[in-house]
Amino acid sequence: AQSVSQHNHHVILSEAASLELGCNYSYGGTVNLFWYVQYPGQHLQLLLKYFSGDPLVKGIKGFEAEFIKSKFSFNLRKPSVQWSDTAEYFCAVNHPLSGGYQKVTFGTGTKLQVIP
Amino acid sequence: DTEVTQTPKHLVMGMTNKKSLKCEQHMGHRAMYWYKQKAKKPPELMFVYSYEKLSINESVPSRFSPECPNSSLLNLHLHALQPEDSALYLCASSQGASGRVSYNEQFFGPGTRLTVL
Repeated sequence: AQSVSQHNHHVILSEAASLELGCNYSYGGTVNLFWYVQYPGQHLQLLLKYFSGDPLVKGIKGFEAEFIKSKFSFNLRKPSVQWSDTAEYFCAVNHPLSGGYQKVTFGTGTKLQVIP
Repeated sequence: DTEVTQTPKHLVMGMTNKKSLKCEQHMGHRAMYWYKQKAKKPPELMFVYSYEKLSINESVPSRFSPECPNSSLLNLHLHALQPEDSALYLCASSQGASGRVSYNEQFFGPGTRLTVL
């Protein structure tokens, strides 16, 4: 079945540690890729997105992600996390449906806990 | 204005009640979406409206009834809900819903936290 997989369900890091969250998808054809963040009690916010071009995309708050087409992956990275990065992170894929429509499917999410 | 607003923020209703959730955007977007998010789960698509017409219904039970009165507004009418329908209901909008994929970046509202007793 077509899906979006996030392998890390819960990650605990100390401040200043480096972060990499995995995301793999199984849709063929043209897709758009997103990382969203949901801080405790807040709504979904877009961290970064990939539509085309340079596979290394930079987002807000020092986050970046690399699209590797051959591996169907779009991993999220940050060189040095802060306590304020504690949140749930969702990878999402915008993929085509029959009839010409698009649908966004979210991964199961990774809860990041940063310890001061 | 790059905001999607949703009202109410919180809603508690009984299983026999009828209530409505409202969503509004003024970005000129022509596609609007309803998602349901249960605790510790990702958002799941319920409905997509494109140019004020229902384009996608993800096999949602009929006790949820969407309505798009105009290009800026999206409602979700609720009737005879079950306790398992308690969740965060998210609205989103994008420039479009088909064709060029770059039109499909979705902007999310803060959600309505629904509790069904």
